[in-house]
Parts: sequence; C-alpha cells; structure tokens
Amino acid sequence: GAVVSQHPSRVICKSGTSVKIECRSLDFQATTMFWYRQFPKQSLMLMATSNEGSKATYEQGVEKDKFLINHASLTLSTLTVTSAHPEDSSFYICSARRQGGDTEAFFGQGTRLTVV
Amino acid sequence: LAKTTQPISMDSYEGQEVNITCSHNNIATNDYITWYQQFPSQGPRFIIQGYKTKVTNEVASLFIPADRKSSTLSLPRVSLSDTAVYYCLVGDTGFQKLVFGTGTRLLVSP
Repeated sequence: GAVVSQHPSRVICKSGTSVKIECRSLDFQATTMFWYRQFPKQSLMLMATSNEGSKATYEQGVEKDKFLINHASLTLSTLTVTSAHPEDSSFYICSARRQGGDTEAFFGQGTRLTVV
Repeated sequence: LAKTTQPISMDSYEGQEVNITCSHNNIATNDYITWYQQFPSQGPRFIIQGYKTKVTNEVASLFIPADRKSSTLSLPRVSLSDTAVYYCLVGDTGFQKLVFGTGTRLLVSP
C-alpha cells in the first residue's frame, strides 16, 4: 500500500515556541491531505483539509492562525503549531488520498507533541 | 456526512470470532463503508472497504445488508495483537474528508 510519513514522530518544545510537523506521501501524489488531532482515549478530530497550491480549509473551532498549514507540493504538507501552549500537547496525525480519487486514505504514523 | 454509531467497547478471547456492528442510517448512495484499525500512538490503518453485500480480504470480512444502513466487521479467530480501536467511516469517493466517530475499543484476552 501507499506510504505516508510524518516527521518528527515525537517532539518536546517550550511554551511560546513554534513547532513544524511534516507529512509526506512517499510513493504517490496527494492533491489533498488531512490533519487530525487526537487526545488520549479519544477519537481523531479533523482539524483541516490541506489542498496543494491553495489555502487550507479549517474545521469549525480550529484557529487557522495558530495551526498554519502549507501544502507546497503534491507530496508534502506541513502543520506548524505557533506559540505552542501545554494544552496543544496532543497526537497529530495526517492522512492523504492518492490523486485520482482513491477511496482509501493512508495515514501517517503520527506525531506526539508535548509542550512544557 | 453520514454519522456512524458503534459500541464503545468489546471484549473477546483469543481464537474467537469478533463481530463489530456500525450503524449509519443516513448513508448516501455514493458512500462507501470503510473500517480502520488503530493501535496506541499510531496512525489508523486501513482494514477493509465495501459498498454492498460482502467483502472479504486476508484479515477481515465486511457484511453490508441490502439497505446499507449498517455494516458488520468480522474478525475471524482474534489474537492478542488485535487489541485496538476499530473505526467505521462512511464517505464517498474523491477527496471528501473522513470524519471519525468514537470507534470501538476491542480488548482481546488470553
């Protein structure tokens, strides 16, 4: 199956700093990628849809100025958590669908962010 | 987007067959039903997908009745390593966003 890779898998940062998480589709092109956040023992919550070459679409309640998404190429989307605070500590997951309308979504391994 | 309802949790023992049912009463004509598995601190992994009747692959079967308002994921002879959260999602082809419900937390005991 297709591979989606996230980097880093774990990151610890200080309050007030920014953290960038990368999501790459390694062996396919993805016009659209999705970013999720997951708190312990909870389901995945969709944050935004990342479209190559255009602005991301954010879900209601997600601050677009805090969670900056850039989808600069067909294989890379980045999520930057700006001015991180402890409440931003979570598990962030990206997913991508192959260009051409594949019905299956492929997920990255996730990034554990801890803000201290 | 069709909303899904699943049991919050299920318990089983090694070697047993596990059936997890998902309700999706307002599924649309173009919607597919997809099941994902998630282990702790990992991204979800695709298990199986179907549109109607029955689909089987090397790890699971998916049963979908004619009205498509529900679906059942069947895991034959589970092992300890099948302990995970299982999510049922409904959506059409293309790039529609995938919205996760609560999922079913399956615990397999020896």
